[in-house]
Amino acid sequence: SQQGEEDPQALSIQEGENATMNCSYKTSINNLQWYRQNSGRGLVHLILIRSNEREKHSGRLRVTLDTSKKSSSLLITASRAADTASYFCATDDQGGSEKLVFGKGTKLTVNP
Amino acid sequence: DAGVIQSPRHEVTEMGQEVTLRCKPISGHNSLFWYRQTMMRGLELLIYFNNNVPIDDSGMPEDRFSAKMPNASFSTLKIQPSEPRDSAVYFCASSLKVTKWNSPLHFGNGTRLTVT
Repeated sequence: SQQGEEDPQALSIQEGENATMNCSYKTSINNLQWYRQNSGRGLVHLILIRSNEREKHSGRLRVTLDTSKKSSSLLITASRAADTASYFCATDDQGGSEKLVFGKGTKLTVNP
Repeated sequence: DAGVIQSPRHEVTEMGQEVTLRCKPISGHNSLFWYRQTMMRGLELLIYFNNNVPIDDSGMPEDRFSAKMPNASFSTLKIQPSEPRDSAVYFCASSLKVTKWNSPLHFGNGTRLTVT
């Protein structure tokens, strides 16, 4: 089934460093989304990138999409302790349904 | 904007009991999703509605699970009878779908269900 898989499963860095998380998926998509989840809370949407886009920026976030490799990356620059959370990619299917399938996430820890 | 509101935040019940989870989507949103999150299986889509109509319930694990959306501002997910393996965090999310492109989902803070 269509599912994004994040890599690595866990990442621990120091404040100020950059964090890169990767997502791979299996079949063609219309768009790919990244979400953040703080402990005990719901997921929060970060950024959506369409299949005809290659790169997108939002503040300290940079997302790339390579449809030929069926992969995406999320870069957080100049990380802060408040960025500590789990990050998920989510993919749709080109069939046009609204179903979003989530990966199991990358747990990011930013140490002060 | 109050966001998606779920209740209760925590539910502890005994095996065999009926459990009802509630969700109020963001006003004006026309799509509503129920997800379940566990360590083992991650986030699983159970069912979603568009304009109050169930569109895809293929993720509902068993007949013990049912979901309703009687109006645009309220949805329930019911488990009857509940089993220990139903223990998970259940999330409701809503979105505004205006084109064929997917829209971002807005999640509630979830209901943590424990079935003993």
